[in-house]
Amino acid sequence: GAGVSQTPSNKVTEKGKYVELRCDPISGHTALYWYRQSLGQGPEFLIYFQGTGAADDSGLPNDRFFAVRPEGSVSTLKIQRTERGDSAVYLCASSPEGGREAFFGQGTRLTVV
Amino acid sequence: GEDVEQSLFLSVREGDSSVINCTYTDSSSTYLYWYKQEPGAGLQLLTYIFSNMDMKQDQRLTVLLNKKDKHLSLRIADTQTGDSAIYFCAEISILTADKLIFGTGTRLQVFP
Repeated sequence: GAGVSQTPSNKVTEKGKYVELRCDPISGHTALYWYRQSLGQGPEFLIYFQGTGAADDSGLPNDRFFAVRPEGSVSTLKIQRTERGDSAVYLCASSPEGGREAFFGQGTRLTVV
Repeated sequence: GEDVEQSLFLSVREGDSSVINCTYTDSSSTYLYWYKQEPGAGLQLLTYIFSNMDMKQDQRLTVLLNKKDKHLSLRIADTQTGDSAIYFCAEISILTADKLIFGTGTRLQVFP
């Protein structure tokens, strides 16, 4: 596709529910990143994939958060037992191999009520 | 840890130049970036600079890097109302590997 695509664009869920957020990176990009942006803040790193494997998951806040990228393309961020503090915009970005430019999607706005 | 700081707001008149400043603490920074975020939108990469460069110019945008003072600036010439947005400074370093570390963003407001 032309750019990084994230679905859904908005998600409202009840506290305690499970959610999945999807990211379609730019075709051919090997690196994929998830960031979280809270209101009034800059994005914060969550996890980085190089190909199918999670090269760095040091930004995941706790074990309720998990992400996969089984075929090295589409990635899913999974949040279990959601809490109101998980409300934020979740941003996905991708980069070509060896590239220094990360291209971001429009984000998924998650609201936990 | 690594820290990137920016002033929160900047207001300029249309046609004037805007200068957005950023300071960072990580002395091992390799690349520094400027992103633009319009309301309800994702991040748009504007430009980036390698740490061994002092300046980079791209049309109306000029990036200046003072590595000694760990200071980065973005100058927008002939600022237009369409430039109104939040501007984020970010860095990648040897310490952070492939993670972008972002500042809190500077909201630029352009008035006629």
